Amino acid sequence: NAGVTQTPKFQVLKTGQSMTLQCAQDMNHEYMSWYRQDPGMGLRLIHYSVGAGITDQGEVPNGYNVSRSTTEDFPLRLLSAAPSQTSVYFCASSYNPSGPGELFFGEGSRLTVL
Amino acid sequence: ELKVEQNPLFLSMQEGKNYTIYCDYSTTSDRLYWYRQDPGKSLESLFVLLSNGAVKQEGRLMASLDTKARLSTLHITAAVHDLSATYFCAVPFETSGSRLTFGEGTQLTVNP
Repeated sequence: NAGVTQTPKFQVLKTGQSMTLQCAQDMNHEYMSWYRQDPGMGLRLIHYSVGAGITDQGEVPNGYNVSRSTTEDFPLRLLSAAPSQTSVYFCASSYNPSGPGELFFGEGSRLTVL
Repeated sequence: ELKVEQNPLFLSMQEGKNYTIYCDYSTTSDRLYWYRQDPGKSLESLFVLLSNGAVKQEGRLMASLDTKARLSTLHITAAVHDLSATYFCAVPFETSGSRLTFGEGTQLTVNP
């Protein structure tokens, strides 16, 4: 079972470059989300989606865009990377946005912005 | 604003000892989640606590939830080295739903 798949696993960007982190899940989960993890700050929610065509902002959305054209995919776009976006990014999904809400996480994408 | 606080943030203990990690949160919620993260790895779900008084056990770990006190505990019994990891608790933003707010994490090191 693939579960939640994130690509790339590692990326180095220069300030001002753009890129997209890919996230795909094969569990038919309605809910998908993106978190960033920084030392000493736990995980913080960037954006989330409760279904195809529906997205909303989380706790730290600035500098990031998302879209949800299919149930399976939820890409995260950095429009103009900044050093403050150096972090580990996790995509997570769950079956029912209103249900018990146990999240299943991808392996993470480690991003460095120089 | 929902706040989730864990303590301690760092815990070094000897094998065979017992200890408890605390997670308290600032808003009404009848659900709480515990996750484990090994260094450089993803988060793995440990426990899903869905009601007041819920208690779940898996091996040497036992988690409980007191929604009136807004407090959850993760108790470690007779620690072993394999339990070394970072443990996170998480609470939903709303009374239902998958949007979770995470605590900072407790980095546990179990020494031989």
